[in-house]
Amino acid sequence: DAKTTQPPSMDCAEGRAANLPCNHSTISGNEYVYWYRQIHSQGPQYIIHGLKNNETNEMASLIITEDRKSSTLILPHATLRDTAVYYCIVRVYGGSQGNLIFGKGTKLSVKP
Amino acid sequence: DADVTQTPRNRITKTGKRIMLECSQTKGHDRMYWYRQDPGLGLRLIYYSFDVKDINKGEISDGYSVSRQAQAKFSLSLESAIPNQTALYFCATSVRGLETQYFGPGTRLLVL
Repeated sequence: DAKTTQPPSMDCAEGRAANLPCNHSTISGNEYVYWYRQIHSQGPQYIIHGLKNNETNEMASLIITEDRKSSTLILPHATLRDTAVYYCIVRVYGGSQGNLIFGKGTKLSVKP
Repeated sequence: DADVTQTPRNRITKTGKRIMLECSQTKGHDRMYWYRQDPGLGLRLIYYSFDVKDINKGEISDGYSVSRQAQAKFSLSLESAIPNQTALYFCATSVRGLETQYFGPGTRLLVL
């Protein structure tokens, strides 16, 4: 699975959009981009995933660049409850290996 | 996610003791996983199971064993606990063909 690079921390004002970047310059054609978050010592929570098209669900939007070497997770109206560590993970869809490789992620702090 | 439960939620034990952590799921998923998380670090895979008769070691399986008693149950055992196994343990589930993993609330283990 390709390696990802994320900033260690970010701040965001409550009610504003939070834009979390992720670099995955070695991503291959059959690898998807997944985002999870972990709210203080709770189990990680799936947010969204995508291959090359932009994706949106009730939690967030995922923007993937045309060359697929980077992506941005957007939380459109951040709340205090969105304070968490956000993990960007790249892996083959339906791969034989079981694990998700969690790096250190980005610690997002939403401030009032 | 309430569909994935872990017991106990907290456990204190002594060096050399055998302990078992249990995971149950009502999601009907065929795949189950055990991860551990150390402070400030990402999750690392201990064992995973793609079905009842398929058990696989993860990257840090030494000192651990697992049992998949049924599709819905996956137990992790520490045969002889040692202090460096003090960590937060997470169980997760997924469906074959879909890469989204759903995590339990975690078990906080302290080995004295």
